[in-house]
Amino acid sequence: QQQVKQSPQSLIVQKGGISIINCAYENTAFDYFPWYQQFPGKGPALLIAIRPDVSEKKEGRFTISFNKSAKQFSLHIMDSQPGDSATYFCAASKGYSTLTFGKGTMLLVSP
Amino acid sequence: DAGVTQSPTHLIKTRGQQVTLRCSPKSGHDTVSWYQQALGQGPQFIFQYYEEEERQRGNFPDRFSGHQFPNYSSELNVNALLLGDSALYLCASSSTGGYKTGELFFGEGSRLTVL
Repeated sequence: QQQVKQSPQSLIVQKGGISIINCAYENTAFDYFPWYQQFPGKGPALLIAIRPDVSEKKEGRFTISFNKSAKQFSLHIMDSQPGDSATYFCAASKGYSTLTFGKGTMLLVSP
Repeated sequence: DAGVTQSPTHLIKTRGQQVTLRCSPKSGHDTVSWYQQALGQGPQFIFQYYEEEERQRGNFPDRFSGHQFPNYSSELNVNALLLGDSALYLCASSSTGGYKTGELFFGEGSRLTVL
C-alpha cells in the first residue's frame, strides 16, 4: 500500500518557468512533510519542509503549499534553473516515526 | 563538519553471499536509519537504531539486520543475497528531541549489485 502518491513521474520545464510537483497522502496521522532533492550518484538532501499548522511555506524560489482537508501538498519551484534538474521526492512522517517517500519526480529544466 | 559517511560506495556480490555496509552519522546525531532505494524508486525504510537498539523496523525480512555502536556508527548486514537486493542503500542520521528526528541527513549511499 503506497501511502504517499507523487506526480508527475517526470517533468520538463523551460528555464525561468514554474515547476510544480504534487503529492497526496493517506495517513491522517502524518504531521511532517519534507521535500528532498537528489542528484545522480548522491543521497537525497532536505530542501524544504512543512507542518500541517500552516498552509504555505516559502524559502527562496521554493514554496510548499499544503491542503490538510484534501490531504495534498505540492512543491513549486519559481524561476526554474538548469541547476534545479534533479529528482525530487516528497515524504511524510508522524512525530518520531520514519519517513514514507513518494516515488519521485525527475525534473529537467531546459536552457 | 563531516556529514553522513558511508562505505563502501560500490560493491558487487553474488547470490547467497552476505554483505556488510557501514555508516558514520553526522556529528552530533545519535539516531541512524537505513533505507533501500531501488532504481527509479523512492527510498524505503529498513530500520532505525537509537541507543544501540533497533527502535523501528520496516517491511523487510530477517535477512536484513543491523547494529549500532557506542559511537553511534552503524552497520547494515544482509544475508543470503537475492538479485532483488540490488539497490542503493542509504544511511540517514538525525538527532532526538522534539520533531528533529524528521530532519534526516542522508549519506551518498552504498550501491550494491547482486549477480
